[in-house]
Amino acid sequence: DTAVSQTPKYLVTQMGNDKSIKCEQNLGHDTMYWYKQDSKKFLKIMFSYNNKELIINETVPNRFSPKSPDKAHLNLHINSLELGDSAVYFCASSLFDSSGNTIYFGEGSWLTVV
Amino acid sequence: RKEVEQDPGPFNVPEGATVAFNCTYSNSASQSFFWYRQDCRKEPKLLMSVYSSGNEDGRFTAQLNRASQYISLLIRDSKLSDSATYLCVVKPRHGGATNKLIFGTGTLLAVQP
Repeated sequence: DTAVSQTPKYLVTQMGNDKSIKCEQNLGHDTMYWYKQDSKKFLKIMFSYNNKELIINETVPNRFSPKSPDKAHLNLHINSLELGDSAVYFCASSLFDSSGNTIYFGEGSWLTVV
Repeated sequence: RKEVEQDPGPFNVPEGATVAFNCTYSNSASQSFFWYRQDCRKEPKLLMSVYSSGNEDGRFTAQLNRASQYISLLIRDSKLSDSATYLCVVKPRHGGATNKLIFGTGTLLAVQP
C-alpha cells in the first residue's frame, strides 16, 4: 500500500512537448507538495497546496502549473519542456500545522528532456 | 549564503566506525530541524527530528546548537546499510503556519566492509 504514489516513474520526452505527472496520497493528509531534485541532488520546493489551495509558490517558471482536484491529489503539468527541466520530481504530503510534521515523499518521477 | 549548508562528502568509513556530520543554517528564527536519509535513486525519508536538548535513536544521535546555528548527526558502529545521503532539513519560521522545509544538498556516506 503505497502512501504517496506518483506516475509515471520514468519519462523521456522531447523539448517543446507538454507532459503531466500525477500524484495521489492515501494518508489522509491535507497538504501536498512538489519538490524538484536536480543533477546536483539539490532538493527544492516548487509548490504546496493545502486543501486544494495554493499556499507556497516558489520562483518557478509559469510553464509549470500544479492542479489539485481534491486534497488527496496534486498533479503537475509542464508546458514547452526545456532541457533544464530534466530532474527528479518528488511529490510529498503532510498534515498542515506549525509543529513540523513529517513529510512523506513519493518515489519520484525521473524526467529526461532530450 | 545558502540557507542550509552541508559538506557533500563523500565520507568513506569502515564498518564499525563512528562518523559525524554537521550542518549549518542561516535563518536564526528557524523553528524545526530534521535529518532525512536518501538512498540512491530513492525518495528522502525522515531519519529523526532534532530537539534542542539533543536526542538519540539507537546508534544515531542528533544535536542542535541554536547559538552557533548548526545541527549534527552522529552515527556509531556504522553498518553497510547506513550507506546513503543524509539530508539536513530546516523549517523556517513564517508569519503564518506553513510546512515549507529547506533541504541541504546532503552528505554522502559510504560504509566500507
